[in-house]
Amino acid sequence: DAEITQSPRHKITETGRQVTLACHQTWNHNNMFWYRQDLGHGLRLIHYSYGVQDTNKGEVSDGYSVSRSNTEDLPLTLESAASSQTSVYFCASSRQANTGELFFGEGSRLTVL
Amino acid sequence: AQSVAQPEDQVNVAEGNPLTVKCTYSVSGNPYLFWYVQYPNRGLQFLLKYITGDNLVKGSYGFEAEFNKSQTSFHLKKPSALVSDSALYFCAVRENSGYALNFGKGTSLLVTP
Repeated sequence: DAEITQSPRHKITETGRQVTLACHQTWNHNNMFWYRQDLGHGLRLIHYSYGVQDTNKGEVSDGYSVSRSNTEDLPLTLESAASSQTSVYFCASSRQANTGELFFGEGSRLTVL
Repeated sequence: AQSVAQPEDQVNVAEGNPLTVKCTYSVSGNPYLFWYVQYPNRGLQFLLKYITGDNLVKGSYGFEAEFNKSQTSFHLKKPSALVSDSALYFCAVRENSGYALNFGKGTSLLVTP
């Protein structure tokens, strides 16, 4: 079955370190998204991509970057982790249609000490 | 920007009773509206969507939602709640100029036996 997987599921790191969260989908979806989930804020969009070599900033993109070298993967990089980036991160994908719903991964819980 | 609001942080209902989780929206143009459910330590799962057509949309697990244009609402409903329906529910609206979704802050539903 097609799916979307995130790794690692849990990560503890220190302030200032670089961290990369992986996202891999097998649906061949063109659209991929990264959200963060925080209490009281719901889900907020970090970055998104509508195809290979395409990346765009979302609502809360400062301190994060993404790259899209193939259809299946959209890794999220925290260049210099900060405590404010402690959160649960969700990757999602969708087909390229106005009515397409998003399919979510299981999440990556990141703690920055 | 397109947005949704979920006015209740928590909804409590007894098993067997009908449930309603509220959502109002603010959009320019035709709204594409979605409901998702999140169980503890899991990703978001798609429940249903309204694109056009019948104002009553049926979705997974016996849930339905009523689109009301005059009240700019898209409330999630179920005729008879189950304890297993206890979860976090998110309303979302698609952005006008892309495929990303803007989420509400979520409503925690607790169904008691």
